[in-house]
Amino acid sequence: DVKVTQSSRYLVKRTGEKVFLECVQDMDHENMFWYRQDPGLGLRLIYFSYDVKMKEKGDIPEGYSVSREKKERFSLILESASTNQTSMYLCASTPGQGAKNIQYFGAGTRLSVL
Amino acid sequence: AQSVTQPDIHITVSEGASLELRCNYSYGATPYLFWYVQSPGQGLQLLLKYFSGDTLVQGIKGFEAEFKRSQSSFNLRKPSVHWSDAAEYFCAVGTNTNAGKSTFGDGTTLTVKP
Repeated sequence: DVKVTQSSRYLVKRTGEKVFLECVQDMDHENMFWYRQDPGLGLRLIYFSYDVKMKEKGDIPEGYSVSREKKERFSLILESASTNQTSMYLCASTPGQGAKNIQYFGAGTRLSVL
Repeated sequence: AQSVTQPDIHITVSEGASLELRCNYSYGATPYLFWYVQSPGQGLQLLLKYFSGDTLVQGIKGFEAEFKRSQSSFNLRKPSVHWSDAAEYFCAVGTNTNAGKSTFGDGTTLTVKP
């Protein structure tokens, strides 16, 4: 079974802190994604990566950056956390290219910024 | 651009009753369609997928979905709902990009009454 592991289930941070959310997948998948999920807004894509050191902006990249130094690990970085970044963050991975890719999700990190 | 619409934000059904969750998509080419389920506090898990062939597809947990090209729909059904089916359900269409992205609907929350 594919496993996507997010390092924290719950995080509480203060405004202005630099925050790292970590995601690791164990199936040698090419692509990794970061979404945020808010009530009534569904899943919104923040960033994705289709190869090591390669990244592309999603629909809402502002205030976020990402890092993919190794194939299995994809980090989401909040450079200076703000209260409007309080949300559920979901990491996902897919094996390769094309439209038939199933997305495999982690359990999510619920971030609260105070 | 592709899009997915789930017209029902919230549905309540009684345990043992039948269920149908609606999904409409907009996509220029042959769509690759997915339904995912998210239990409370968890990530998303694949329920079923449609790529080609028989337009009625079976998934896990007793769910099925029917692809209707003429209606641009991919509705999810279950003949008899169990209390454990209470969750949020997402319809998605795969996009033919280099990263295997999917476009998700906003989700439908299912509540099951005893």
